[in-house]
Amino acid sequence: RKEVEQDPGPFNVPEGATVAFNCTYSNSASQSFFWYRQDCRKEPKLLMSVYSSGNEDGRFTAQLNRASQYISLLIRDSKLSDSATYLCVVTPKIRDTGRRALTFGSGTRLQVQP
Amino acid sequence: DAGVIQSPRHEVTEMGQEVTLRCKPISGHNSLFWYRQTMMRGLELLIYFNNNVPIDDSGMPEDRFSAKMPNASFSTLKIQPSEPRDSAVYFCASYPQGVPTNEQFFGPGTRLTVL
Repeated sequence: RKEVEQDPGPFNVPEGATVAFNCTYSNSASQSFFWYRQDCRKEPKLLMSVYSSGNEDGRFTAQLNRASQYISLLIRDSKLSDSATYLCVVTPKIRDTGRRALTFGSGTRLQVQP
Repeated sequence: DAGVIQSPRHEVTEMGQEVTLRCKPISGHNSLFWYRQTMMRGLELLIYFNNNVPIDDSGMPEDRFSAKMPNASFSTLKIQPSEPRDSAVYFCASYPQGVPTNEQFFGPGTRLTVL
């Protein structure tokens, strides 16, 4: 079983739609959680961190359920420019330098259509 | 403000040849990571360094792969001999350890094709 699992998609949605991505992780000791965005043939870039209380950044909302080891990303009023691959990322304790840093899911591809 | 710099951006080589990928992290960042991305396996961590010291190289596929960080501003990933299955995009990333966001900054990647 992969450490971080995501539905690869693609999710094809019309402009203005609301779309949600889910992610599960297997390591209960994971401490930090993120969503990265990767455009086609580009490098991954941090989209937002995910906090236990949930957090929002404009049209983007991220939530974490530690009990279920589940992370979600909600995009409202989707734009053409949101088309990309969204990578779910988990990491052990920041100070734990003895283990791998950042474990990436395989990503969920989103295509927003006009 | 330059980000992470990688070279070359594209590399095409023949099986059996030695390949060297280069990375210059963001100045002041003391952690450096090498990743490999393929369609089949996604983004995989190969090795990471803290203060130029390799911390975890368990992701390095086999002895054909080696990585060095001789100083804080330069790292190399070498494949010798290269094989077609090594074809992938290789990313280098860096971050200043201890920053609460733990955000990693990725370079543009090297797209390697081994024929």
